[in-house]
Formats: sequence, C-alpha cells, structure tokens
Amino acid sequence: NAGVTQTPKFQVLKTGQSMTLQCAQDMNHNSMYWYRQDPGMGLRLIYYSASEGTTDKGEVPNGYNVSRLNKREFSLRLESAAPSQTSVYFCASDQRGGREQYFGPGTRLTVT
Amino acid sequence: DQQVKQNSPSLSVQEGRISILNCDYTNSMFDYFLWYKKYPAEGPTFLISISSIKDKNEDGRFTVFLNKSAKHLSLHIVPSQPGDSAVYFCAAGGSQGNLIFGKGTKLSVKP
Repeated sequence: NAGVTQTPKFQVLKTGQSMTLQCAQDMNHNSMYWYRQDPGMGLRLIYYSASEGTTDKGEVPNGYNVSRLNKREFSLRLESAAPSQTSVYFCASDQRGGREQYFGPGTRLTVT
Repeated sequence: DQQVKQNSPSLSVQEGRISILNCDYTNSMFDYFLWYKKYPAEGPTFLISISSIKDKNEDGRFTVFLNKSAKHLSLHIVPSQPGDSAVYFCAAGGSQGNLIFGKGTKLSVKP
C-alpha cells in the first residue's frame, strides 16, 4: 500500500515551458487535491476533485489546469510556467471532504 | 482573510517539557479540526483530530483541546522529544468539504 505517490520529485523549468505533475493514490479515496506550499504561506489549495469526473478551483488556480484521469489519478498541468510558480506541490486524497487528508511526498519545482 | 490562523511562526521548547501550539479560526461553520506534522522534504502527515462536539481528544503524548466559544484550539505535546521538531499545521473542515490550513508553527525541541 503506497498511499499517495507523486512524480517527479524535482523539476527545473524555464519560463514558458510546460509540464504535468502526476499523482496517484491506492486507498480508493473519492476526493483528491493539489496544494502548493510557499515559505510563510502554509498550504494553499490550487484545485480539487471531489469525485471522479469533477474538478473545481481552489484558492490559487490561475496558471494551472487539472485532470481527474480516473479514481486513482489526478494530474496538475502548468501550460506556461512562470517564476511565481516556483514552489513545492503536494497532492492529497481523502475518502470524504473536510476530514483527514493523506499527502504525497511533494514535487519541488523551480522555474527560472 | 485568513480563516485559520497560527499566530506563532516558531516555538522552542526543552526536551521533556510541554509544547503548546495554538490555532484560532473565524468561521463558526467549521465542525472538524486537525493537526498535521511536517518534516523537511516530506509531505504533511496527519497527527490528531477533533470533532466540534468534543472539547478534548488524546492520543498518547498528543492532546488537542477545542474551545468553541473562543474559536480556539491547541495541541499539547507532553513530554516533548527532539523527534517532535517539525512544522505543525492546524486545519479546519466543514460542510464545504475542503480543509483550510493555517500557515504553520515550527517547533524546535532542544535536547
């Protein structure tokens, strides 16, 4: 039981490049989330998917898109990376919203 | 406007003593509160939670207290150990279905 896995662990992009962050969970959870963590800012919700087939914006969605590929997988795409998107990105999942979420190990992204 | 506030960015405690981490919230619709622990280069891990129908929940060395009238919760760690050194995030959930996180408090437990 791997829990929540994320790939890649590290990534360096140039401004304007695109990339997709991958997330998968094997806990049969309904809901999945993408957060970013910046120094002094805590965890800010980018997008979430309450159930397979649905996605919604969180607090900081600009510059990102998401895809809930199936119940297990939830990807985050940066179409045109900007230095302001330099951050650590965490994926999380839970069985029911508003309760315990389980986090992946994170992806550290640097945009130069 | 921050709905969940952790006003102390850092806290330093001697090994064996009590650590008290505080959290305030503004939204009375929150009905579930959680604490997460985060080590560097790792994802946050769930530590302990409390429902709004309770005022205390214990799990080993960790106790969470909830004061609904003051919209305040606290995490007590007794006794504190060096391995407890980490960033602690308070989070609140409700019918809206998402968790709202505070900005975190960095706890340092000195041997």
